[in-house]
Amino acid sequence: SQQGEEDPQALSIQEGENATMNCSYKTSINNLQWYRQNSGRGLVHLILIRSNEREKHSGRLRVTLDTSKKSSSLLITASRAADTASYFCATDSDRDDKIIFGKGTRLHILP
Amino acid sequence: EPEVTQTPSHQVTQMGQEVILRCVPISNHLYFYWYRQILGQKVEFLVSFYNNEISEKSEIFDDQFSVERPDGSNFTLKIRSTKLEDSAMYFCAVRVGEQYFGPGTRLTVT
Repeated sequence: SQQGEEDPQALSIQEGENATMNCSYKTSINNLQWYRQNSGRGLVHLILIRSNEREKHSGRLRVTLDTSKKSSSLLITASRAADTASYFCATDSDRDDKIIFGKGTRLHILP
Repeated sequence: EPEVTQTPSHQVTQMGQEVILRCVPISNHLYFYWYRQILGQKVEFLVSFYNNEISEKSEIFDDQFSVERPDGSNFTLKIRSTKLEDSAMYFCAVRVGEQYFGPGTRLTVT
């Protein structure tokens, strides 16, 4: 089954540094999305990238997609303490409607 | 961005009791979803609902679960006889292009 798997599982960086998280999946997709979740809270949609796109920007976020390698990366530039959260990639296909989430990367921004 | 609210934000129930979780989309959507997230684990798909019918369900969504839109607005998830392992965050989502998630209901089964 298609499945997003994030790498690393946990990441601690100093405030101001860039954070890069990676995601791999198994089957063909329609879209890949990244979500943020603060501890015990809801899912916040960050960005969607379609299978025919290679890169997308939104503010301090940059997402890349390599469908040949079935992988994506999320880059957060100039990290802030408020970026501390778990980040999930999620994929969907044109065969069905559901979103498949990965296990997430726990990002901790150190002051 | 469409708004989705969920009630209650936190529900504590005893094992074997029935619970109903509610999702209230602000706009009139057609596509609804329920997901759950056991503490510390990933978000898992439960069921999708379109045009007042279940369109897809996962193997988690067994006979203890049911969904409906009783008044054409609220979208509910019912767990008939809760088990300890049903303790989780339950997220409702609507689809407008991408899926937008509600804030979740934390269900604690004791």
